[in-house]
Amino acid sequence: SAVISQKPSRDICQRGTSLTIQCQVDSQVTMMFWYRQQPGQSLTLIATANQGSEATYESGFVIDKFPISRPNLTFSTLTVSNMSPEDSSIYLCSVEGQMNTEAFFGQGTRLTVV
Amino acid sequence: QQQVKQSPQSLIVQKGGISIINCAYENTAFDYFPWYQQFPGKGPALLIAIRPDVSEKKEGRFTISFNKSAKQFSLHIMDSQPGDSATYFCAALLTGGGNKLTFGTGTQLKVEL
Repeated sequence: SAVISQKPSRDICQRGTSLTIQCQVDSQVTMMFWYRQQPGQSLTLIATANQGSEATYESGFVIDKFPISRPNLTFSTLTVSNMSPEDSSIYLCSVEGQMNTEAFFGQGTRLTVV
Repeated sequence: QQQVKQSPQSLIVQKGGISIINCAYENTAFDYFPWYQQFPGKGPALLIAIRPDVSEKKEGRFTISFNKSAKQFSLHIMDSQPGDSATYFCAALLTGGGNKLTFGTGTQLKVEL
């Protein structure tokens, strides 16, 4: 299994500012995924990040709002830009396991925008 | 469009009872169906999974039942314990299709003493 560390674990931010969330994996992985989980809701995929290429965004999510970096096979960042209270959510980093079917998740970043 | 529907939204079960959570999917191309367990403040963790060529899979107290013709699958937790209290998500995956999981809406399970 993969061990995933996310930073920060939580933050309270002012509207209009940006927050960058870091995701570190203890092994090299090809694909990394970023999810949003709104309070009491399911997980929604924001984008898929592969090393060496631009992230692929799901419908409803755009690069200007959620820029992603993937500088190497163990690290990725997600930035939530120009935040509004509607961005208050848990953001989760995920990687696929060796079987390409498993998914391992970080503990999440709980973001509150005031 | 919600491709994986999950019910119930919440469930209260007495200790020692059976917890049952149901999911239905639409895309017949899905070929892997995992269940995830999430405790407050933690990320989801894989609990058990099944492929559509199998009708049932059991791991300890956890069993998945799969009905391919009805496009439904369910999680049964036998002898439910207070430590099982968590949110459970079913999911579906099209392997080779970018490995993107589609999650159900989640079921908040509470097991009472």
